[in-house]
Amino acid sequence: AQTVTQSQPEMSVQEAETVTLSCTYDTSESDYYLFWYKQPPSRQMILVIRQEAYKQQNATENRFSVNFQKAAKSFSLKISDSQLGDAAMYFCAYRGGTSYGKLTFGQGTILTVHP
Amino acid sequence: NAGVTQTPKFQVLKTGQSMTLQCAQDMNHNSMYWYRQDPGMGLRLIYYSASEGTTDKGEVPNGYNVSRLNKREFSLRLESAAPSQTSVYFCASSELGLTYEQYFGPGTRLTVT
Repeated sequence: AQTVTQSQPEMSVQEAETVTLSCTYDTSESDYYLFWYKQPPSRQMILVIRQEAYKQQNATENRFSVNFQKAAKSFSLKISDSQLGDAAMYFCAYRGGTSYGKLTFGQGTILTVHP
Repeated sequence: NAGVTQTPKFQVLKTGQSMTLQCAQDMNHNSMYWYRQDPGMGLRLIYYSASEGTTDKGEVPNGYNVSRLNKREFSLRLESAAPSQTSVYFCASSELGLTYEQYFGPGTRLTVT
């Protein structure tokens, strides 16, 4: 079974600075996707960024980028120029090729942004 | 285009009561999912329906039943609620396939006393 681990229950960052959230996963599958979801206090789950396992190039979406290390099974999220609106719970998630679309989530990291 | 809708948004039950959480999607997705979110545990899959007419257990199915009523609707039933089922419940939908994004509803906060 696949597992996803986020070892940082909480992180904080100053506005305009950069923060990195960590995620590791375990799988024996070769074909899979990795995701970062943001959950603000409204509870809505918002997709931030996704990474295909077969792509060596790291995904980027504006101020959000990932560092995907396939051999190490590591998938960290970097938020540049942090904004107050980035404050939220962040979840790392895994979707495997044989999983019928199911997502396996990490425990989550609460990000606080200080003005 | 409402996406994924869930009702109710909040519910308080007494131990032993039953209830059904409703979920509907208007994106014509084949697959639908029910997750529960508990502090420190992320979201865990309760049941899923890969396509209309099929349902399968996820990681934490005990105490729950589901019905895929049609392609749009996927309900979650608690037959005899227990305090351990106090949680936030999310419904999600997607197309079947590795590349497709999963869309989430707004969640239902359920408290069992």
